[in-house]
Amino acid sequence: GAVVSQHPSWVICKSGTSVKIECRSLDFQATTMFWYRQFPKQSLMLMATSNEGSKATYEQGVEKDKFLINHASLTLSTLTVTSAHPEDSSFYICSARGPGQLGNEQFFGPGTRLTVL
Amino acid sequence: AQSVTQLDSQVPVFEEAPVELRCNYSSSVSVYLFWYVQYPNQGLQLLLKYLSGSTLVKGINGFEAEFNKSQTSFHLRKPSVHISDTAEYFCAVNSGGYQKVTFGTGTKLQVIP
Repeated sequence: GAVVSQHPSWVICKSGTSVKIECRSLDFQATTMFWYRQFPKQSLMLMATSNEGSKATYEQGVEKDKFLINHASLTLSTLTVTSAHPEDSSFYICSARGPGQLGNEQFFGPGTRLTVL
Repeated sequence: AQSVTQLDSQVPVFEEAPVELRCNYSSSVSVYLFWYVQYPNQGLQLLLKYLSGSTLVKGINGFEAEFNKSQTSFHLRKPSVHISDTAEYFCAVNSGGYQKVTFGTGTKLQVIP
């Protein structure tokens, strides 16, 4: 149980376009979802935390207008990279946390590789 | 505040030899501790976790870790590694009642045939 999926698994886009990444909890209701980015050979850096039905809380240095997060339901959160530039190329990983015992850990999606040309 | 330190960025080890990946944490409250493994171009897979109870935690793929509160450590061990264990390993901490998980910088385990 506690499976999280991400779509797409990889995406290539032109500079200036917007890209949407979906994160879904498949078999549990995610009260909280997290978005991370990971540059090559580096650790995961938390970008934002989102609770269903409320605005996301962004980490310092993360532009909320550039990285739009929507957590419209208990099983779906989306990250939209607006006006993407090559420096936004990265590996984006989401995680989800559920209620009760599931709240003791985060369950990670497989990640989305974004390449901006 | 919570933090995690993984002192070794790379650990080369011969196949079938034992390995220990070190992790130290700091937190002012009780903690949950995790080890994750990441294969190239993939997401994170949970190896094991410490939430409470026995300080020796056994995980998947033959890994285990021991929570040592006095030394604020949660080192990962495996008695005999395989080529397939070559990957990046991340230690993570989540302090009680704190939403965020903080990750260490990762340790790349290279198993040499």
